[in-house]
Amino acid sequence: GEDVEQSLFLSVREGDSSVINCTYTDSSSTYLYWYKQEPGAGLQLLTYIFSNMDMKQDQRLTVLLNKKDKHLSLRIADTQTGDSAIYFCAERNNNAGNMLTFGGGTRLMVKP
Amino acid sequence: DSGVTQTPKHLITATGQRVTLRCSPRSGDLSVYWYQQSLDQGLQFLIQYYNGEERAKGNILERFSAQQFPDLHSELNLSSLELGDSALYFCASSVATGVRLSDTQYFGPGTRLTVL
Repeated sequence: GEDVEQSLFLSVREGDSSVINCTYTDSSSTYLYWYKQEPGAGLQLLTYIFSNMDMKQDQRLTVLLNKKDKHLSLRIADTQTGDSAIYFCAERNNNAGNMLTFGGGTRLMVKP
Repeated sequence: DSGVTQTPKHLITATGQRVTLRCSPRSGDLSVYWYQQSLDQGLQFLIQYYNGEERAKGNILERFSAQQFPDLHSELNLSSLELGDSALYFCASSVATGVRLSDTQYFGPGTRLTVL
């Protein structure tokens, strides 16, 4: 079955790097995504990575994928107070349609 | 702004009632997805429609149903509402059926349903 796990909470100081981790169990996952949810708002797509890639960088965001360990991480460089939000990782398995399976979300708090 | 719109933003109703949530996908997107976000279950996929036809089904209760109209907007109907149906309901859209990378899902702002 599919299961996506994330730690619940992360606190960092402004200017530091944040690393949010995610593990998944479905080895058939083809694409993995990171979404951001600010209070009272919807889900904003941040970035995604193919399952055959190891790393993807997009400005302050770096995604690392360890397919052997089924581990995904999102690094946010120079974290700002505006980055405070809940971050969700999600996997998509083409063998199961296009549904996304989400982790429980990691609440990132950035202290000034 | 993702381009996906949902109405209403908030909905308060009583147990046993029926409500309809509406979603308009991004221009050009043919697929619409519905997700439920609740405190105890997290974010769960409910159902997907592609160009008017049901494409995939997730953990959707029999009391819930959806449809996609010729203009591609979608409605999620929730009936015989229970307290546990209180949640944030998201709609997402993508270009096609979801197999290609370009079928990334973009989410609307959600409808917060409160059942009293």
